[in-house]
Amino acid sequence: LAKTTQPISMDSYEGQEVNITCSHNNIATNDYITWYQQFPSQGPRFIIQGYKTKVTNEVASLFIPADRKSSTLSLPRVSLSDTAVYYCLVGDMYPGGYNKLIFGAGTRLAVHP
Amino acid sequence: EPEVTQTPSHQVTQMGQEVILRCVPISNHLYFYWYRQILGQKVEFLVSFYNNEISEKSEIFDDQFSVERPDGSNFTLKIRSTKLEDSAMYFCASSPGQDSYEQYFGPGTRLTVT
Repeated sequence: LAKTTQPISMDSYEGQEVNITCSHNNIATNDYITWYQQFPSQGPRFIIQGYKTKVTNEVASLFIPADRKSSTLSLPRVSLSDTAVYYCLVGDMYPGGYNKLIFGAGTRLAVHP
Repeated sequence: EPEVTQTPSHQVTQMGQEVILRCVPISNHLYFYWYRQILGQKVEFLVSFYNNEISEKSEIFDDQFSVERPDGSNFTLKIRSTKLEDSAMYFCASSPGQDSYEQYFGPGTRLTVT
């Protein structure tokens, strides 16, 4: 499993775009990049997953450069309810099988009015 | 939208007592997991379960822990003799078994050992 490094905390204001970058210099060819979100006293929630280039869903975008040594989670126009801890996870997937999740410390995002 | 449920939401027990934490995974999911999070710390993997047996367990999941799927819908975590350091939030998760890291987590059970 590739080691990941992400900022411990970030602050933003309502309506701004937030970009959280994760470094994973030792990412392997078969590894995917996945982001989870966790609100206080709740279980983590899957946000987005990607392998290369750009992935977008209704919640966020994930940008992955060609060398895949980093990735950036982009949250457009954040609101107070986006205040949470965001985790970057990197690992390969067992086709059709289980994948245990290894969480780091994550990035604590605080959105201010 | 289907969701994972867990009971109880909060369990208080005395050291040395047995506890059973219960989970109902999403009905068509094939893979089941337990994680725990000690207050202020990282979410830690405990065990994964598929086809009625443990697929993988972490070093935390020692002989005091066991899991069971007793009736095809519930998924339980038993701690035989609780210790103070078992106090944590315990999360159950399930996944459909496709090629994805998308796991669905329950709301958690807060276990307090006194």
